[in-house]
Amino acid sequence: KNEVEQSPQNLTAQEGEFITINCSYSVGISALHWLQQHPGGGIVSLFMLSSGKKKHGRLIATINIQEKHSSLHITASHPRDSAVYICAVSGETSGSRLTFGEGTQLTVNP
Amino acid sequence: DTGVSQDPRHKITKRGQNVTFRCDPISEHNRLYWYRQTLGQGPEFLTYFQNEAQLEKSRLLSDRFSAERPKGSFSTLEIQRTEQGDSAMYLCASQASALYGYTFGSGTRLTVV
Repeated sequence: KNEVEQSPQNLTAQEGEFITINCSYSVGISALHWLQQHPGGGIVSLFMLSSGKKKHGRLIATINIQEKHSSLHITASHPRDSAVYICAVSGETSGSRLTFGEGTQLTVNP
Repeated sequence: DTGVSQDPRHKITKRGQNVTFRCDPISEHNRLYWYRQTLGQGPEFLTYFQNEAQLEKSRLLSDRFSAERPKGSFSTLEIQRTEQGDSAMYLCASQASALYGYTFGSGTRLTVV
């Protein structure tokens, strides 16, 4: 079992839909990161959080430390949101290096 | 500052050749990481520098791999005697401190033929 599990692996939505991507982890963490990766490889950091909830534009990230679970929500999805979304954690004992989930491929159709 | 730069963007090499990649982090960031990503998978940690000191290496980093960060600025990752299994995207990231998020480069895609 991977230390970081994401679901779903693939997600197809219609423009305007509310989207949720889930992440569960099995280790103690110092922080959880949500990342976005577009075709060609570039990775953009969306959120870094260790408790509660953060919001940036149409993106919302939440984390429940007790349940070792985080969600990334996208409101009013748009085709330009199509990308791979990756959950990653920096562990309590692993320093700042990240352990990544396998990613969720999101496709938003117009 | 234009972010984290990686060079080259793409590299095709024959099996058995040596390759070297370069990463220029954001200048104020003292932490630098190398990750490797194969198709359809999440990235995997390779190594971590704080300033010029290499503080952690993954067991994935075999004897054929070496990384340096002279003077705590840019970093190089060298792969000797490349194998087909080395084909992957090599990602560099920098971080100001553990309190802040990462900034990733665009990666170097290596293809070993």
